[in-house]
Amino acid sequence: GAVVSQHPSRVICKSGTSVKIECRSLDFQATTMFWYRQFPKQSLMLMATSNEGSKATYEQGVEKDKFLINHASLTLSTLTVTSAHPEDSSFYICSARPTNEKLFFGSGTQLSVL
Amino acid sequence: QKEVEQNSGPLSVPEGAIASLNCTYSDRGSQSFFWYRQYSGKSPELIMSIYSNGDKEDGRFTAQLNKASQYVSLLIRDSQPSDSATYLCAVKRGSTLGRLYFGRGTQLTVWP
Repeated sequence: GAVVSQHPSRVICKSGTSVKIECRSLDFQATTMFWYRQFPKQSLMLMATSNEGSKATYEQGVEKDKFLINHASLTLSTLTVTSAHPEDSSFYICSARPTNEKLFFGSGTQLSVL
Repeated sequence: QKEVEQNSGPLSVPEGAIASLNCTYSDRGSQSFFWYRQYSGKSPELIMSIYSNGDKEDGRFTAQLNKASQYVSLLIRDSQPSDSATYLCAVKRGSTLGRLYFGRGTQLTVWP
């Protein structure tokens, strides 16, 4: 089946630094990818839709200048958390769909900001 | 009102029993509904999708949809300890599959 690879799986960083998370579709091309965030014991919340070759679409309340999304190729989308702060600590998950039938999730990135 | 609400549990059932998980949604125009299973620290895994009123069965899992009541449920028959996880209900937002509203999840424990 389709595989979505996400890296790194865990990152710890100091407050004020930037962190980049990669999401790759391994055996299909994804013109669109989706970034979610999940706080402990909370639901997954859609942050943004990443569009290959164009600007990402952000959900209401998500700061586009803080969460930079780049989707430069048909198999790679990156999310950069800029100037991270402790409140940005969360589980970030990307997803993509080879068809309009099934959505696959990456393995997630646990971000801890000290 | 949240878009998707689930009975947060936790739900605990003995091995072999039926586990019943419930979900309601607020957008009456929603057409596509999903149940995901998520183990702690892992990403969600699709269990079932359902689009029409009624029941849909897949092995030990049965999804039930009632659009008039805006209600979706998941039944797990012959529950196994390996079914212990958090189950997430999700509803598609608009026409794009990847844009989903998720509930907070119901934590299920199946004890031997």
